[in-house]
Parts: sequence; C-alpha cells; structure tokens
Amino acid sequence: AQTVTQSQPEMSVQEAETVTLSCTYDTSENNYYLFWYKQPPSRQMILVIRQEAYKQQNATENRFSVNFQKAAKSFSLKISDSQLGDTAMYFCAFMKHVTSGTYKYIFGTGTRLKVLA
Amino acid sequence: NAGVTQTPKFRVLKTGQSMTLLCAQDMNHEYMYWYRQDPGMGLRLIHYSVGEGTTAKGEVPDGYNVSRLKKQNFLLGLESAAPSQTSVYFCASSYSTHYNEQFFGPGTRLTVL
Repeated sequence: AQTVTQSQPEMSVQEAETVTLSCTYDTSENNYYLFWYKQPPSRQMILVIRQEAYKQQNATENRFSVNFQKAAKSFSLKISDSQLGDTAMYFCAFMKHVTSGTYKYIFGTGTRLKVLA
Repeated sequence: NAGVTQTPKFRVLKTGQSMTLLCAQDMNHEYMYWYRQDPGMGLRLIHYSVGEGTTAKGEVPDGYNVSRLKKQNFLLGLESAAPSQTSVYFCASSYSTHYNEQFFGPGTRLTVL
C-alpha cells in the first residue's frame, strides 16, 4: 500500500534563512506525481510545487524547490529566504493513476512550519 | 472570480441527522473532490467527480453520498450523521486531469454530537 510520511510534525526557521521539510513515500509504481501543498492559518490550501516522477529534474518555483530522489522515495521541500508569510502547515501528497478515470491520492500528516521574525 | 466556495462554514449536528454540504466553483473546472481532514492525519479523499453527472468513490466513501448535477456544483451528503464524521471538510476542483493544480475551498467544520 502506498504511504506518505512526514516525519517532522513541527519546525521553525528564522526569517531569511533556509529550511527543508522532509517527505518520504512508499510505492511500487513507476509513474506517479508528487505535490507540496501549503495550508496557512486561514485554512485555504494552495499548491506550492509539483513533480512528475518520470522527470529527473527537480522542480523549482521561485523560493521553493524540491529534492526528488526517486530511488530513495524521498521528496523534500526547500524554502529559501523564508518569509513570515510562509508560516503554515505543509502537506506532501502522492497521486497515481489507478485505472481509467480512477486516481489515488495520499496526503502526509503535515509539517507545521513557523517562521520567526 | 470567487474560486471555490463552500456552504456552510460551520455546522453542528446531532447523531442521526442529515445534511448537505455545497461546493461551488466558477472556474469551469471538470474535476471536483471532497476531502476530510482530521487531527494528526492528512487529507483523505471521500468522493470525486470527473465531470457533470459523474461521481466516483475515493479512499473513505462510507457514510457519504455525492451528486454533480451541474458542472459548477458538487454536493456532499450525510444521510445519518455519526460522531466519527466530525471533521473539517474541504472541497477542491481542478481543470482536467488530477495532476493539475487543485484549488481548494475554505473548508466546513462539522461537529456531530
């Protein structure tokens, strides 16, 4: 069965510094997709970054980048130049196509990140 | 452009009561989803829809029903609420296939006594 593990329930980082959130997953599939979603205190979740497993190049979105290690089944999120607005719960998610029209989503339990002024 | 909206934002039910949660999106998205979020757990997919008139079961569908009569609306129904259904419910939508970005609503906090 597929699982997604986020081993850091809470983290903190000083403003302007860099922080890395870890995520590991377990699957026997070769084709799948990985996501990082951010849930600020207002609760509305937004996509931070996504990675397709068949792409070896790590995805980057401005200050956010991932370190995707397919063999190790690891998908960590690096936030550079942390800002107070980055304070949120971060969820790692795994998605794979199961059958025609059927997809399977698994979210991790989340990492609560607090950026300190 | 309101994005994804959910009605109501909060609700308290007694065991055995029924209710319907409404999700609406104005982005002309084909795919819509219902998740529940419980403390210490990630989001779990309840049901989803790949288009008007279609629905499919997710990871935790028992005790819930859904309908997608109009493309912009996705309804989640609880026919006989149970305390185990106390949770925060999130609706989301995406343009086409699942690996496109999902846009989430603000959530509905449901308490079943």
